[in-house]
Amino acid sequence: SYMLTQPPSVSVAPGKTARITCGGNNIGSYSVHWYQQKPGQAPVLVLFYDSDRPSGIPERFSGFNSGNTATLTISRVEAGDEADYYCQVWDSSSDHVLFGGGTKLTVL
Amino acid sequence: EVQLVESGGGLVKPGGSLRLSCAASGFTFSSYTMHWVRQAPGKGLEWVSFISGSPTYIYYADSLRGRFTISRDNAKNSLYLQLNSLRAEDTAVYYCARNYGVKKAFDYWGQGTLVTVSS
Repeated sequence: SYMLTQPPSVSVAPGKTARITCGGNNIGSYSVHWYQQKPGQAPVLVLFYDSDRPSGIPERFSGFNSGNTATLTISRVEAGDEADYYCQVWDSSSDHVLFGGGTKLTVL
Repeated sequence: EVQLVESGGGLVKPGGSLRLSCAASGFTFSSYTMHWVRQAPGKGLEWVSFISGSPTYIYYADSLRGRFTISRDNAKNSLYLQLNSLRAEDTAVYYCARNYGVKKAFDYWGQGTLVTVSS
């Protein structure tokens, strides 16, 4: 079955750029969605269809998807961006939804 | 304002059953596919099931099919998840989420309800 691989953790200094990857076989042929989850809270959609932002999500959040890797990029990182981030796809061949294992973003 | 409010969680013994509910408001519930997603303590997100608005289409994660049953009552703007033959590994926060788009993003989530399976 299809699998999504994320690094367990990423660390970045405030004001710098964080990149969180999501790997999968030919993931570029899927639409990838990204969620932010802070402790004790429900996940929040931050990007959908690879790079579209829901209303209210800052332009600092961007995405790209090609080949075997999708990437969530957070520019000018702030302390409030510290959270777990999950990638997600829908596998049309099985009509199943898949999540990556999650990446904990630490702001130094 | 879109709101999703889960209820029905609690402590249940192994082998027991529980029915979770998700009350929806602020949108035309019958027009949306809805999902259940769970998260074990300290673990990642795991998709459980989805049901289309009609509800013609129902799908489950392979590991859960046969024990869990998703349903909905569009007249009551409510989504349900029947959990049977519960195991310790089913202990998790269960979220309901609204589907967005053909590629199934989740644009709104409830706050979750905790299910604890323990003797």
